[in-house]
This record gives sequence, structure tokens and C-alpha cells, in this order.
Amino acid sequence: KQEVTQIPAALSVPEGENLVLNCSFTDSAIYNLQWFRQDPGKGLTSLLLIQSSQREQTSGRLNASLDKSSGRSTLYIAASQPGDSATYLCAVQSGGSYIPTFGRGTSLIVHP
Amino acid sequence: NAGVMQNPRHLVRRRGQEARLRCSPMKGHSHVYWYRQLPEEGLKFMVYLQKENIIDESGMPKERFSAEFPKEGPSILRIQQVVRGDSAAYFCASSLKDAHEQFFGPGTRLTVL
Repeated sequence: KQEVTQIPAALSVPEGENLVLNCSFTDSAIYNLQWFRQDPGKGLTSLLLIQSSQREQTSGRLNASLDKSSGRSTLYIAASQPGDSATYLCAVQSGGSYIPTFGRGTSLIVHP
Repeated sequence: NAGVMQNPRHLVRRRGQEARLRCSPMKGHSHVYWYRQLPEEGLKFMVYLQKENIIDESGMPKERFSAEFPKEGPSILRIQQVVRGDSAAYFCASSLKDAHEQFFGPGTRLTVL
């Protein structure tokens, strides 16, 4: 059974810092890994999708890497801003029917 | 270019009533996933559907819960005889194909009195 863990559970940083969020998974036989952000009371917004054959994806100030063999992904946020404050979730798709498994998220606060 | 639509956004039911949650996927998407999110818990997979087919319902309780995705119209998650423990946010997501990027709707917040 696939399990996804995100560390840290919560993070508070001053504006302008570069930061790294971690995601690990137990079964390396994945199809893809996707990072999302969720604002309070809202749905999930897709940030980046990395296919299993890829090593990283970039979008603006975000960079996500994938090391499938070690079961790890990192989300790097450069020059953090207060608007980045949200919960960040990672999800992997694996198994015969592509079932997504989510981590419990990292709650990020960027203070001015 | 509408994204994933869910309605209602908020639903209040009394114990024993039925709840029907609707999800319209993004245009062109034929794959729909339903999830449940409880406070202080993660997002839990419930069911994965393609048009007219249930692909995997391993995360859905065997009793009282059902889901469908008809050839025409939205996907429906139906909860019969709701109990207080069913109170949660229910999200659906759609994708173009298997193992493709998922796009989420805004969710339906169900409150059972």
C-alpha cells in the first residue's frame, strides 16, 4: 500500500527566504507525482506534475524534483512571498488503476 | 473555459436524509476522482470513474455511498441516510487520461445536523 509523508508539517518563514518542502513515498513504482497548493476553505490548485520518467519541473519561482529510486520529491520555492502562504500537498499516482495517494501537507506561513 | 465545477458548494442535511453531490469535469475530460477531506486529516481517495464505468471504488464505504458518471451529465456522489460522521469537504478532480494532471473543483462542504 502506497504511503506518502510530507515533512515538515508546518513551516513559518520571513518573506524573501528560499525554502524546500519534502515529500516521500514508500512504493517507487509510480506513474507521476503532482504538487498542489490549498488555500483555507478552497479546493486544490495544481502547481507542478512530474512524470515518472522526469527528474524535475519548473514553473516560475517553483521547482520540483523527483528521485523515484529513493522515493523522494522536493518542492523548492524561491524568494518566498506572503501570497505563498497555503498548505502544500503532494500526491503520487500508482497501482494498476492509477489511484492517487496524498500526503497530509505542509502548512506554510510567509510573514512580511 | 470553465474548470471543474461542483455543486452545491454547501449542503446541510439532517441525519437520515440523502445527500447528492455533483461534479462537472473540465471540458474534454472523461476521468473523475472523488475525495473526502476531514479537518486535521489528509485528502482520502474514494472512487475513480470514467464515463459509464467505475474503475476503482476501493476508498468508498461499502454501505450508503455510491457514485456514477453517466454518458451525459455530471458525475454524482450519493450518500444515503447520512450520519454526522459524513460531515466533511468532498472534492472531485478530473483528468484527460490515466496518470495525467488532475484538476480540482472547489469542493462541496457537507454538514450533517
